[in-house]
Amino acid sequence: NFMLTQPHSVSESPGKTVTISCTRSSGSIASNYVQWYQQRPGSAPTTVIYEDNQRPSGVPDRFSGSIDSSSNSASLTISGLKTEDEADYYCQSYDSSNVVFGGGTKLTVL
Amino acid sequence: QVQLVESGGGLVKPGGSLRLSCAASGFTFSDYYMSWIRQAPGKGLEWVSYISSSGSTIYYADSVKGRFTISRDNAKNSLYLQMNSLRAEDTAVYYCARKNLYYFDYWGQGTLVTVSS
Repeated sequence: NFMLTQPHSVSESPGKTVTISCTRSSGSIASNYVQWYQQRPGSAPTTVIYEDNQRPSGVPDRFSGSIDSSSNSASLTISGLKTEDEADYYCQSYDSSNVVFGGGTKLTVL
Repeated sequence: QVQLVESGGGLVKPGGSLRLSCAASGFTFSDYYMSWIRQAPGKGLEWVSYISSSGSTIYYADSVKGRFTISRDNAKNSLYLQMNSLRAEDTAVYYCARKNLYYFDYWGQGTLVTVSS
């Protein structure tokens, strides 16, 4: 099994851009799609990015996803930060029989 | 609209058993894989298990293999998780989620399982 490693926390000011990384420990990041979930306190997670870079309907285009094979990592970028973006963010991928979540990143917008 | 409602959580002693249920509505339940995902207090998300649309394919995380059993009843639009030999480290909010190919597109609000003497 592989692991997905995220920074524990990131912070940025409203209006700015932040990027959260998700590094795969073994196997290619490009071999399986990466998803990103947002979880606000006391709520269930919701999807903000699926299949590396696809946004579900209703998710603003301020949210974007990408993968970088050179660093074997995926990234979630949020531009034009709003206070409502403050939440925990989790990356997720899979292999033939397992689903793997990253440890989560707490985004503070201050 | 898609709704997933979990039930069955509660306080149980170590070594005990509990059965979680998830009632699905707003979509054709028998068309989708379904999953259980848990979150220990103050911790991150941990995938537990998923089951194919027909129930013929099932996978478990190593942490629950041999102790937990996932099942579904498509006639009742329901997903289940039978949890045996429970341990303190199984304490978590358990979410039912719909699996859409590679990701989980709808989640329930979760049910809390507390394993403590």
